[in-house]
Amino acid sequence: GENVEQHPSTLSVQEGDSAVIKCTYSDSASNYFPWYKQELGKRPQLIIDIRSNVGEKKDQRIAVTLNKTAKHFSLHITETQPEDSAVYFCAAPNSGGGADGLTFGKGTHLIIQP
Amino acid sequence: NAGVTQTPKFQVLKTGQSMTLQCAQDMNHEYMSWYRQDPGMGLRLIHYSVGAGITDQGEVPNGYNVSRSTTEDFPLRLLSAAPSQTSVYFCASSYLARGVEQYFGPGTRLTVT
Repeated sequence: GENVEQHPSTLSVQEGDSAVIKCTYSDSASNYFPWYKQELGKRPQLIIDIRSNVGEKKDQRIAVTLNKTAKHFSLHITETQPEDSAVYFCAAPNSGGGADGLTFGKGTHLIIQP
Repeated sequence: NAGVTQTPKFQVLKTGQSMTLQCAQDMNHEYMSWYRQDPGMGLRLIHYSVGAGITDQGEVPNGYNVSRSTTEDFPLRLLSAAPSQTSVYFCASSYLARGVEQYFGPGTRLTVT
């Protein structure tokens, strides 16, 4: 099955600075890579995803990059704000097509310092 | 649309008791799944279903049963609760089995004493 490693486990940045969270995966056939944000006591919610036919995707202050050769993908948040404080999870399909659900990383607790 | 709903929100069980966690969605999604979330472990897949009458095991299925008699409902049964099953349980659904957003329910916090 898929193995997803996520780093760092905790990330503290000053408000206004950028934050980068990195994930690696093991199955070279994986083709879909979502990022979820989970606020304290809430459910995970999708914030951005990328498919294997593109190398980068942006949505306002959030971007995701994918390096298929190295089997890693990263979440970039620019101009961080207090509401960005949360736990972020990367994920990859359990099989190449994702029919068996998702394997999640262990999460990154992002702390935005005022 | 209510989206994905789960009941109960909180539950305390004694070791050996059984119970069913309910999950329902009103988005006509074919794919439904159950995850458990433990501190520092992320979300781990317990069971999933690609349609009514079809279920399969995920990464951590032991101690849990599921069934899918309708498109809308996907209950998770704990057969004989153990302290190791203390966790937050999330149900999720999507309109395809692969490559699309998973919509999560609000979660059920279960404590087994």
